Amino acid sequence: EVQLEESGGGLVQPGGSLRLFCAASGFTFGSYEMNWVRQAPGKGLEWISYISSGGTTIYYADSVKGRFTISRDNAKNSLYLQMNSLRADDTAVYYCARGQASGFSYWGQGTLVTVSS
Amino acid sequence: DIQMTQSPSSLSASVGDRVTITCRASQSVGIYFNWYQQKPGKAPKLLIYAASSLQSGVPSRFSGSGSGTDFSLTISSLQPEDFATYYCQQSYNTPYTFGQGTRVDIK
Repeated sequence: EVQLEESGGGLVQPGGSLRLFCAASGFTFGSYEMNWVRQAPGKGLEWISYISSGGTTIYYADSVKGRFTISRDNAKNSLYLQMNSLRADDTAVYYCARGQASGFSYWGQGTLVTVSS
Repeated sequence: DIQMTQSPSSLSASVGDRVTITCRASQSVGIYFNWYQQKPGKAPKLLIYAASSLQSGVPSRFSGSGSGTDFSLTISSLQPEDFATYYCQQSYNTPYTFGQGTRVDIK
């Protein structure tokens, strides 16, 4: 069974940093593209970052470019999102999701990031 | 960036109704287009990919159509478990933008 499990969320002050983790199981992690998608409270979905299966191709949404860094460790079946210079409008549930052109077929349950003083 | 505009933003329907949600892209995305269902407190679920392909395990009452800039999602006979929010998404190029969502609730 394909499973994605995010962790690392929590309360952080504006300007602070946080690192999110996504643990993958039930499939050959290194063969799949991965993404981070977030959802602010009561709002819609926002794609924020993509990484290719081998980690060589990376894209970001303008809203996080220069502040967030996506990475992966295929040996550890893990996806990461390093978030720096956090702002109040980064408050959201963050999901990791598998896929690209044919849609995001698997999602984790999400981890909540709250940026507040 | 490609903008995705869904309509309606919300709708009320009864069990058994036929429901259609539309989505328009600001430029052509070919068939790099997907539909998701999200229930409160849960992660989104892929329903339709490549504009009209049914994701494995998704009931056949869901169908998608369209190409280029205009797309639609149809639920042929609404079931109680279908009351949710539906999002369209283009996967043609980054940023992989989503529509604003269509909330389907009980009339």
